[in-house]
Amino acid sequence: NAGVTQTPKFRVLKTGQSMTLLCAQDMNHEYMYWYRQDPGMGLRLIHYSVGEGTTAKGEVPDGYNVSRLKKQNFLLGLESAAPSQTSVYFCASSYGGSFYGYTFGSGTRLTVV
Amino acid sequence: ELKVEQNPLFLSMQEGKNYTIYCNYSTTSDRLYWYRQDPGKSLESLFVLLSNGAVKQEGRLMASLDTKARLSTLHITAAVHDLSATYFCAGERYSGNTPLVFGKGTRLSVIA
Repeated sequence: NAGVTQTPKFRVLKTGQSMTLLCAQDMNHEYMYWYRQDPGMGLRLIHYSVGEGTTAKGEVPDGYNVSRLKKQNFLLGLESAAPSQTSVYFCASSYGGSFYGYTFGSGTRLTVV
Repeated sequence: ELKVEQNPLFLSMQEGKNYTIYCNYSTTSDRLYWYRQDPGKSLESLFVLLSNGAVKQEGRLMASLDTKARLSTLHITAAVHDLSATYFCAGERYSGNTPLVFGKGTRLSVIA
């Protein structure tokens, strides 16, 4: 009964490096989301997906790319990390969108130096 | 587009006291959500408010929704230390089951 699993949990990157954050859910949810959380800013939506093979931009998409090749996985990529991308990243999934409530992963704490 | 504003952003309460957190939103979607986050942890859903006048209660927490005023409140009754956490309200970005937009959160600290 894993729910939403994010890997890695912690990562330190150097400016300009790339990495991919993985979000996996085992609840057969259609909708998946990536948010970032910064102190005093709440959670801000980066990208989201309403089904396998679909993605859409959120509030702060610049510097990130996503892919949803399989229904259970939603990948968040940073092509060239910048210090401004230091944040805690949360993935969430939902059966049918916000109305059905979100299940959040435990987060990935990323530091870009 | 939706804006969600919470106040206060920080709240220090004494155990046993009552208080209210306010959430104002600007959107045509009148569904409002409350989440709780413990320090260093993920978010968990508390309440889903779907229509005007909706009221939900769980233990010492009660949430309500006034769609005409575009206001939701989270009322805390007789606070206990275990309620110390950050509380977020969220609304749908646009009408039609769209992604949630979160407020900045209210960090609640309950002290003896």
